[in-house]
Amino acid sequence: SQTIHQWPATLVQPVGSPLSLECTVEGTSNPNLYWYRQAAGRGLQLLFYSVGIGQISSEVPQNLSASRPQDRQFILSSKKLLLSDSGFYLCAWTVDYGSAKLRQFFGPGTRLTVL
Amino acid sequence: RKEVEQDPGPFNVPEGATVAFNCTYSNSASQSFFWYRQDCRKEPKLLMSVYSSGNEDGRFTAQLNRASQYISLLIRDSKLSDSATYLCVVNSYSSASKIIFGSGTRLSIRP
Repeated sequence: SQTIHQWPATLVQPVGSPLSLECTVEGTSNPNLYWYRQAAGRGLQLLFYSVGIGQISSEVPQNLSASRPQDRQFILSSKKLLLSDSGFYLCAWTVDYGSAKLRQFFGPGTRLTVL
Repeated sequence: RKEVEQDPGPFNVPEGATVAFNCTYSNSASQSFFWYRQDCRKEPKLLMSVYSSGNEDGRFTAQLNRASQYISLLIRDSKLSDSATYLCVVNSYSSASKIIFGSGTRLSIRP
């Protein structure tokens, strides 16, 4: 079965510090991968998605970037964090076959607090 | 207008009650629909897909109305454990990015 991992689970960082969040998927190949952010009490905001190695699409201009160095690895980064970057960061992947197409499954998330 | 809209709630209902949520979407080309459940400080989890013919999973029933562009979720005999935020999701196969989440409806079941 497929599993998605994210780490760390929680993170407290000072303003201006760099960020690297990692997401890996097991049990599938060539998944579509996504990064979302959820601010407290708010909905999900799609940040980036990737349909393959090295292919990244940005949905919202941010001081964030994403990379996909391997098929099942998706990394979210920032060179300098802002206070507004605080939130719950979720990695997700989609099943892409038949009637289950585009069902999305989420990792456990990273709760980031920027102070 | 948002692509997917939900009543944010909160819905506060007694245990055993029946509660229904609606979600409207604006893109008539949308092709697949889901309900997710999100517990406080946790990731969203797939609750059920929504099919044109309507579908049921235990106490949960989902319906799709393409003509009016809305989906619904009905929860019968609600339990305390049903307290959560329910997110509606609308997808288009034409683009991997066209997976649109509603902002969620908060449900609180009281004893």
